[in-house]
Amino acid sequence: NAGVTQTPKFQVLKTGQSMTLQCAQDMNHNSMYWYRQDPGMGLRLIYYSASEGTTDKGEVPNGYNVSRLNKREFSLRLESAAPSQTSVYFCASSAQGLSSPLHFGNGTRLTVT
Amino acid sequence: DQQVKQNSPSLSVQEGRISILNCDYTNSMFDYFLWYKKYPAEGPTFLISISSIKDKNEDGRFTVFLNKSAKHLSLHIVPSQPGDSAVYFCAASARTNAGKSTFGDGTTLTVKP
Repeated sequence: NAGVTQTPKFQVLKTGQSMTLQCAQDMNHNSMYWYRQDPGMGLRLIYYSASEGTTDKGEVPNGYNVSRLNKREFSLRLESAAPSQTSVYFCASSAQGLSSPLHFGNGTRLTVT
Repeated sequence: DQQVKQNSPSLSVQEGRISILNCDYTNSMFDYFLWYKKYPAEGPTFLISISSIKDKNEDGRFTVFLNKSAKHLSLHIVPSQPGDSAVYFCAASARTNAGKSTFGDGTTLTVKP
């Protein structure tokens, strides 16, 4: 099983460029999440989707948009990239219900110059 | 204000000995706590969790202890193995949505052969 798949693995953008990070899960999970991890820090929640058709802001949503395309796919878009968005981005999914932990992808390493 | 703190950025132990990783939280609304393990260039993987109705949860070599009055939890690994060398993240959430977690900054554990 692939679990959670993220593309691309690496990306370099210039300030002001846009891009979309793709995420897909094959575990039939209802909930999906986007986190970012900056060096030496923990993961911070950007956006999440509790179920297909819904999205909500997390702790650090500014500068990002998301789309829950279907139950499997949840994309993250940077409309106008800034150097402060240089980070590693992790997509995750979880089953709906109590006490369901996150299943993470392997991340996208983004550098904005 | 950081709601989940892991005050030790790194920990080094000898193979076969006990590893103790600590985590403190400030938000009384948290009632579900998780530990994730992360190897370089991979996403975090779920290790063990504990609900606030318990003070201990055990899974093989891994035990998590929760002290609600002190708002403190710890992860014990016994015996430690070189393959346990990784970054360990403590996370806290409401049990109704464990995916919407607040993470600590992580502790890098090195187990020396």
